[in-house]
Amino acid sequence: DIQMTQSPSSLSASVGDSVTITCRASQSISNYLNWYQQKPGTAPKLLIYAASGLHSGVPSRFSGSGSGTDFTLTISSLQPEDFATYYCQHGHSTPHTFGQGTKLEI
Amino acid sequence: QVQLQESGPGLVKPSETLSLTCTVSGGSMTDYYWTWIRQPPGKGLEWIGHIWYSGSSNYSPSLESRVTISVDTSKNQFSLKLHSVTAADTAVYYCARGSSGWYVVDPWGQGTLVTVSS
Repeated sequence: DIQMTQSPSSLSASVGDSVTITCRASQSISNYLNWYQQKPGTAPKLLIYAASGLHSGVPSRFSGSGSGTDFTLTISSLQPEDFATYYCQHGHSTPHTFGQGTKLEI
Repeated sequence: QVQLQESGPGLVKPSETLSLTCTVSGGSMTDYYWTWIRQPPGKGLEWIGHIWYSGSSNYSPSLESRVTISVDTSKNQFSLKLHSVTAADTAVYYCARGSSGWYVVDPWGQGTLVTVSS
């Protein structure tokens, strides 16, 4: 099985900051990497697909990059509504595991 | 747009079977993977498994011996059965649609909390 490791597990930042979250796969997954945002009490929402594709309706301050085993999610100019937990997930093969999550706090 | 809604008991006794159904509205089930994901309270997301619209399924190795996912395209529904549950199976269970290709999971149902307790 492919393991997904996110870092950091938690992150403190302020409105207007730029932050980067990293996701590492235990083996190469090409660009089969998606990012999701989850706010308390709600289902996760898709942000980025195929490592760098911005999902419809997602603000352009969100961006993704990477291929192979190392990926990043960058949020520029943080807004109050961006404080949430972020998960990566691979789509390379089953099981389609998620990273453990990164909680972004004010 | 496509919407998903989970339904089923919110309380299951230990050693019994957890059964949930997901109803898909606003679109066809064709050409997608229909997926179950769970999240224990305060923890991360765990992929349980999926079923292709035509009926072939894949499961997480850690749950494979206890889980069955089925699909009924005539009713626009798919279902999860998890046998021999314990307290460790207490979680919010989400149903979702997975695309072929990059396996993008979108949209998701709102989730339903299932508690395993006597």
